[in-house]
Amino acid sequence: AQKITQTQPGMFVQEKEAVTLDCTYDTSDQSYGLFWYKQPSSGEMIFLIYQGSYDEQNATEGRYSLNFQKARKSANLVISASQLGDSAMYFCAMREGLSYTNAGKSTFGDGTTLTVKP
Amino acid sequence: DTGVSQNPRHKITKRGQNVTFRCDPISEHNRLYWYRQTLGQGPEFLTYFQNEAQLEKSRLLSDRFSAERPKGSFSTLEIQRTEQGDSAMYLCASSRKLGQEETQYFGPGTRLLVL
Repeated sequence: AQKITQTQPGMFVQEKEAVTLDCTYDTSDQSYGLFWYKQPSSGEMIFLIYQGSYDEQNATEGRYSLNFQKARKSANLVISASQLGDSAMYFCAMREGLSYTNAGKSTFGDGTTLTVKP
Repeated sequence: DTGVSQNPRHKITKRGQNVTFRCDPISEHNRLYWYRQTLGQGPEFLTYFQNEAQLEKSRLLSDRFSAERPKGSFSTLEIQRTEQGDSAMYLCASSRKLGQEETQYFGPGTRLLVL
């Protein structure tokens, strides 16, 4: 079974509007972390935002916010005031079994390609 | 932070040749990861080091692949007898634990093309 599911292969948004990129996950662990990365055409994975499973508040980083719904196992990324430079591939990732000694590898979804239209 | 660096950025080789990639993590990051990413897919975990110890290897890492991290600093990933199916982007990431959060920071990757 897919541990990370991103159901939107491609999304379009008008410049200056907000967009939501979907991510659902599957885990039986109580302690885990959820991440979003941006990958422009150059290939580098750029860290955007992190949400811990025990965090009660949704994470925010500038124009990025994470809509974390634990019971539904979803961690959607919201980008406000889209800019042309936001056009890229976006990946949702999860790290399970977080503890002091267990670093845990990340499991990634297949990504969503976001295109911002002028 | 100077970021994670990887060399070379691009590598073209012929089938059957050996290739070696290098990753320099962010200084003070004791954890280092290798991932492989093929076109249209998310990165897939290959292996992980904590300091110089290789603690986990994916089943994707066949016996033609070997990774080292001598002295717990930079790491190398070697692929022997390359095959066309090895063509991919190889990503390195490093991290350091801060409380419950441990974010992996990625390098720019090495694009491998096996002809």
